[in-house]
Amino acid sequence: QKEVEQDPGPLSVPEGAIVSLNCTYSNSAFQYFMWYRQYSRKGPELLMYTYSSGNKEDGRFTAQVDKSSKYISLFIRDSQPSDSATYLCAKNGNQFYFGTGTSLTVIP
Amino acid sequence: KAGVTQTPRYLIKTRGQQVTLSCSPISGHRSVSWYQQTPGQGLQFLFEYFSETQRNKGNFPGRFSGRQFSNSRSEMNVSTLELGDSALYLCASSPGTSGGAGYTQYFGPGTRLTVL
Repeated sequence: QKEVEQDPGPLSVPEGAIVSLNCTYSNSAFQYFMWYRQYSRKGPELLMYTYSSGNKEDGRFTAQVDKSSKYISLFIRDSQPSDSATYLCAKNGNQFYFGTGTSLTVIP
Repeated sequence: KAGVTQTPRYLIKTRGQQVTLSCSPISGHRSVSWYQQTPGQGLQFLFEYFSETQRNKGNFPGRFSGRQFSNSRSEMNVSTLELGDSALYLCASSPGTSGGAGYTQYFGPGTRLTVL
């Protein structure tokens, strides 16, 4: 079983929609969770990180961790075409573990 | 503060050759990790260095090696290149090690390696 599993998508939404991106994790020993955004042919860019469970909000982005179900989510409100990218979830551990990424397209 | 820099940005090699990629972490960061990213496999962990010591290694053949210098700069070497080594190689730096509290990684732009 992989440390982090991510819904592969791809996801296509109209501009202004609320986007939900999801991952699950298997090892509860380490509790730092991250979301990265990667534009085509660029390196991943850290969007947000959270510790343990609960919500963290930053502008239009909300990261949520549910320890009981081992679920990680990223919500994007009022999605914009500039949000079109691949989103990677990650958690720490003996190494950093990454999901395979969800490709998001926001259609104007 | 300057971000993670990687050189070169693009590289074309032929099968059997070797290649060395370089990474300069964010100032003050002591941990450098390397990843291989391909469309089919996503981000795959190669190795992590912390204070010049390899702390962890992914499931890659011995043709892939790395090192870290006292100034935290890191190099990755791939010998006897194969066609399947074509990928984006990403370096990421962190203040502390992956298992440490509060540490996240910051990525460089990557080196795109094409093996012909």
